[in-house]
Amino acid sequence: NAGVTQTPKFRVLKTGQSMTLLCAQDMNHEYMYWYRQDPGMGLRLIHYSVGEGTTAKGEVPDGYNVSRLKKQNFLLGLESAAPSQTSVYFCASSYPRGPGELFFGEGSRLTVL
Amino acid sequence: DQQVKQNSPSLSVQEGRISILNCDYTNSMFDYFLWYKKYPAEGPTFLISISSIKDKNEDGRFTVFLNKSAKHLSLHIVPSQPGDSAVYFCAATQAGGAQKLVFGQGTRLTINP
Repeated sequence: NAGVTQTPKFRVLKTGQSMTLLCAQDMNHEYMYWYRQDPGMGLRLIHYSVGEGTTAKGEVPDGYNVSRLKKQNFLLGLESAAPSQTSVYFCASSYPRGPGELFFGEGSRLTVL
Repeated sequence: DQQVKQNSPSLSVQEGRISILNCDYTNSMFDYFLWYKKYPAEGPTFLISISSIKDKNEDGRFTVFLNKSAKHLSLHIVPSQPGDSAVYFCAATQAGGAQKLVFGQGTRLTINP
């Protein structure tokens, strides 16, 4: 099993460009999440989904959109990238049965110039 | 407002000795706490957790202690091994519903031979 797979692993954008990060999980998890990690800030929740077709805002949702059209996929979109969105993005998934044990992907490093 | 804080950005410990990582939280609604371990270029992986109804949970070399009155938890690793060198994140959540974790800033642990 691959677990949680993120693509792309690295990307460089210019300010104002758009892009989509793809997260795929093969564990049949109901819940999926997008976090960003910045130096000195830990991981902060951007958006999450508790099931196919549902999404909700996390702690830092501004400038991002998400979609969960299929249970195994969770897409994170940047419509107009800004330098403040330079970060490492982590996707995670989990079962709903018990609190907290999230399975994370390897991360996607995004640089916005 | 940082609801979960790890005030030590780094910690260096000699191999075989005890490593103690600390974490403080401010939100009294948190009732489940977790520690994640992260190696470079990888996603965080779940290490150990504790419910607020307990004050200690042990798993092999890893023990987590919870002091609810002080809103403080700690992770003890004994004996420390070189493979324990990583960044450790403390996280907290409310059990039930979407498992939205709030992370601390992380502590980089280095185990010296």
